[in-house]
Amino acid sequence: DAGVIQSPRHEVTEMGQEVTLRCKPISGHNSLFWYRQTMMRGLELLIYFNNNVPIDDSGMPEDRFSAKMPNASFSTLKIQPSEPRDSAVYFCASRGGGRGPAFFGQGTRLTVV
Amino acid sequence: SQQGEEDPQALSIQEGENATMNCSYKTSINNLQWYRQNSGRGLVHLILIRSNEREKHSGRLRVTLDTSKKSSSLLITASRAADTASYFCATDAGSGNTPLVFGKGTRLSVIA
Repeated sequence: DAGVIQSPRHEVTEMGQEVTLRCKPISGHNSLFWYRQTMMRGLELLIYFNNNVPIDDSGMPEDRFSAKMPNASFSTLKIQPSEPRDSAVYFCASRGGGRGPAFFGQGTRLTVV
Repeated sequence: SQQGEEDPQALSIQEGENATMNCSYKTSINNLQWYRQNSGRGLVHLILIRSNEREKHSGRLRVTLDTSKKSSSLLITASRAADTASYFCATDAGSGNTPLVFGKGTRLSVIA
C-alpha cells in the first residue's frame, strides 16, 4: 500500500486565489482527518469524516474553508479566497475501524503571498 | 482545544543518553498514542498504550501511562542522532471513531 497520498506537496498562491488540496486515504480505512500545522498553534484538527460523512467541522477556521469526501478514496480541502494567514502545512490522515493509529500523508505546504 | 501537552518543548541530549518526554491530558481516554515527525515529513505512529495498561515497550521505546494523573511519558533509551525529530502525544477519547487530538510536541535533538 502506498500510504496516504496528498497533492500537491507544495503550493504557492496569491492572496484571494482559490486553493484545493487533495488526499487519497489508505484503501479500507473508514475515517479521514484534515489537520493544519503551524509553529504557533501546533497540529489543529480541521474536520474529519467517517464513512465519507463529515462528522465534526468545528475546527474549520471560517467559511472560506470547505472539505468534501465524494467517495471512500478521495477528499478535498478547499480555501476560497485564500489569505496569507492560511499559510501552513496541511495534513491528511486516515484510520481504520476501531481505535488504532492514524496514518498521515506527507502534507501540503501552502504559502499564500 | 488541544488535549495533550508535551513537556519539555525542546530537549537536546548527547548520543547514547536517554531521552524522556512527558505528556499531560485533560479528559478520560481510551488510549494514548505517540508519534514522531521528521522535519518536513508527516507524522509516523510509534506506539499505542491503552487506558488499562501502565507500561509498554517497543524496541528502545518505553511508554508509561498514569490515568490517575492524566499523564504519560515516552522514554527513548540509548539515543541516536537519527532519533532527532519532534515527538507528539495524541489522545483518543470518547466513543465511535473519534479523532486523535495532538499536543504541540517535543523537539528532540540528539547530538553525535
